[in-house]
Amino acid sequence: EVQLVQSGAEMKKPGESLNISCKGSGYKFGDYWIAWVRQMPGRGLEWMGIIHPGDSDTRYSPSFQGQVTISADRSISTAFLQWSSLRASDTAIYFCARHIPSPDNWFDPWGQGTLVTVSS
Amino acid sequence: QPVLTQPPSASASLGASVTLTCTLSNDYIHYKVDWYQQRPGEGPRFVMRVGAGGIVGSKGDDIPDRFSVLASGLIRYLTITNIQEEDEGDYHCGADYGRGSNFVSWIFGGGTKLTVL
Repeated sequence: EVQLVQSGAEMKKPGESLNISCKGSGYKFGDYWIAWVRQMPGRGLEWMGIIHPGDSDTRYSPSFQGQVTISADRSISTAFLQWSSLRASDTAIYFCARHIPSPDNWFDPWGQGTLVTVSS
Repeated sequence: QPVLTQPPSASASLGASVTLTCTLSNDYIHYKVDWYQQRPGEGPRFVMRVGAGGIVGSKGDDIPDRFSVLASGLIRYLTITNIQEEDEGDYHCGADYGRGSNFVSWIFGGGTKLTVL
């Protein structure tokens, strides 16, 4: 079974750093792009960026460029989303999702989500 | 870039049918849209893709036959018949754009919260 399992909920203070993870199983991790998607409380989904674990080629949405860092370690089948200095406005659920290549070009499956709460 | 508009909420009685809509902004009439289901407390899961001519490709894993799609003009529809309690949740439509350029991006609608009465 193809699966993405994300790290657990985090509670942080503004200014702190954070690294959340997404571990893939059931497929060759290095062959598929992994995307990160944000869902703020009561809001829709926002695509943040995408990485190819095979060569670490990374693309960011302009809205998130410079705000987060996306990385991956193919040897442990894990992608990461990192903040160097969190803000209260980063409070959201973050999902990772495997990109199915063209001609499909959709996301399947998704991780279960990681709730990040940033509060003083 | 396209804008995808979804009504914030919808409801239907157990066993009834409901049609959810995702409206593309002008000039994007030929765009394909992906539907995702997000049950409470879970991550989204792929339902199916719909283009101007209807379903594109196959449904996601374990998506029942009660789910179907259609398109008309700028609107992409997801219809659920014989609604079950397990269908309650948020439904998101999404689309990729920028093909033909060096950078493909994705955009989503605001999501529709479906309540099963």
